[in-house]
Amino acid sequence: NAGVTQTPKFQVLKTGQSMTLQCAQDMNHEYMSWYRQDPGMGLRLIHYSVGAGITDQGEVPNGYNVSRSTTEDFPLRLLSAAPSQTSVYFCASSSRTGTNEQFFGPGTRLTVL
Amino acid sequence: RKEVEQDPGPFNVPEGATVAFNCTYSNSASQSFFWYRQDCRKEPKLLMSVYSSGNEDGRFTAQLNRASQYISLLIRDSKLSDSATYLCVVIITGRRALTFGSGTRLQVQP
Repeated sequence: NAGVTQTPKFQVLKTGQSMTLQCAQDMNHEYMSWYRQDPGMGLRLIHYSVGAGITDQGEVPNGYNVSRSTTEDFPLRLLSAAPSQTSVYFCASSSRTGTNEQFFGPGTRLTVL
Repeated sequence: RKEVEQDPGPFNVPEGATVAFNCTYSNSASQSFFWYRQDCRKEPKLLMSVYSSGNEDGRFTAQLNRASQYISLLIRDSKLSDSATYLCVVIITGRRALTFGSGTRLQVQP
């Protein structure tokens, strides 16, 4: 199993550009989420999904969209990038049953100029 | 006020030392508790869950005090490989997502 994969690993955008961060998991997990990590802030939840076709907002959703058309994939779209969105983005997944352990992807480091 | 608070450190300790990290949470609806480990520029990984009765995994001991809303992690016989940031994490009733503290950095020195 590859676990949780994220692409790209690094990205530089100009203000106003849009892009999609990809996330996929092969563990058949129902729950997927996106976090951003900024220095001194810990990880903060952007959006999450409890299953295909169901998404909801987290703590910091503004400027981001998500969709969940399949169990495996949970892309995060930046609509119009801003310098405040410079961060490290982590995708995570977990099973609806079990220990609540969340498995994280390796992260995408995004810089918005 | 942050929902999960940790001392950011860094804690600089010699190999073989015992070190303890503390964490407080403010939401009394917190129901599940964890310590995650994060190496520099890597993703967080589960270190251990924390149970009310306290639990141990090798050199690591976690304690939970619900009355004081306080979680601790004790590392005995520190190794160089223990150098990392330790994240205190809770799940609040009604939310599936994790709520993170900002982490405590540990540097174990030879």
